[in-house]
Amino acid sequence: DQQVKQNSPSLSVQEGRISILNCDYTNSMFDYFLWYKKYPAEGPTFLISISSIKDKNEDGRFTVFLNKSAKHLSLHIVPSQPGDSAVYFCAAPSASNTGKLIFGQGTTLQVKP
Amino acid sequence: DAGVIQSPRHEVTEMGQEVTLRCKPISGHDYLFWYRQTMMRGLELLIYFNNNVPIDDSGMPEDRFSAKMPNASFSTLKIQPSEPRDSAVYFCASRVGAGGETQYFGPGTRLLVL
Repeated sequence: DQQVKQNSPSLSVQEGRISILNCDYTNSMFDYFLWYKKYPAEGPTFLISISSIKDKNEDGRFTVFLNKSAKHLSLHIVPSQPGDSAVYFCAAPSASNTGKLIFGQGTTLQVKP
Repeated sequence: DAGVIQSPRHEVTEMGQEVTLRCKPISGHDYLFWYRQTMMRGLELLIYFNNNVPIDDSGMPEDRFSAKMPNASFSTLKIQPSEPRDSAVYFCASRVGAGGETQYFGPGTRLLVL
């Protein structure tokens, strides 16, 4: 049972344009969502998060939007840069709040110069 | 801080051999997680520890997999016997407390079982 889903395995955008990465979830009890970024041969690193009481969180070029009614969140990167090329994972803490994170399958973003 | 340290970074072995992956969490972190990354399933949690005690091992694929945390600064993930389908990247992560949700990942061990 995949509670966090990223249905697009890959995305390619031109440098300077907007990148939109999507994530869907099934558990309405999730109260926190995170995005992690992963470069090849490295471990994932935390990028940005959003609480379920908000619908938007912005950090520089990165913005997370949360639509609770649709159980959907998205990560916007504006403007996209070649250095943003990486795998992006969305994640949510398990409902039991044990410190356990549930990750999506990841989306590989390629930003072309 | 050196971050989460994993060894080896790469492992190539033959089917049936025992494989041991090692992890040193960030000092002071009381949670340690083992993940496996595959193309099909993304990042899967295998097992996690709190204060060196295994809390949830429901993600461990089968009895061939075992994990230990003998002290706060060291953990191992063992596969015995290994099979080709175990080929993946294995990550260790650590964090402090159960409140904040950010986990800090090591660089991973890329395992290839021939």
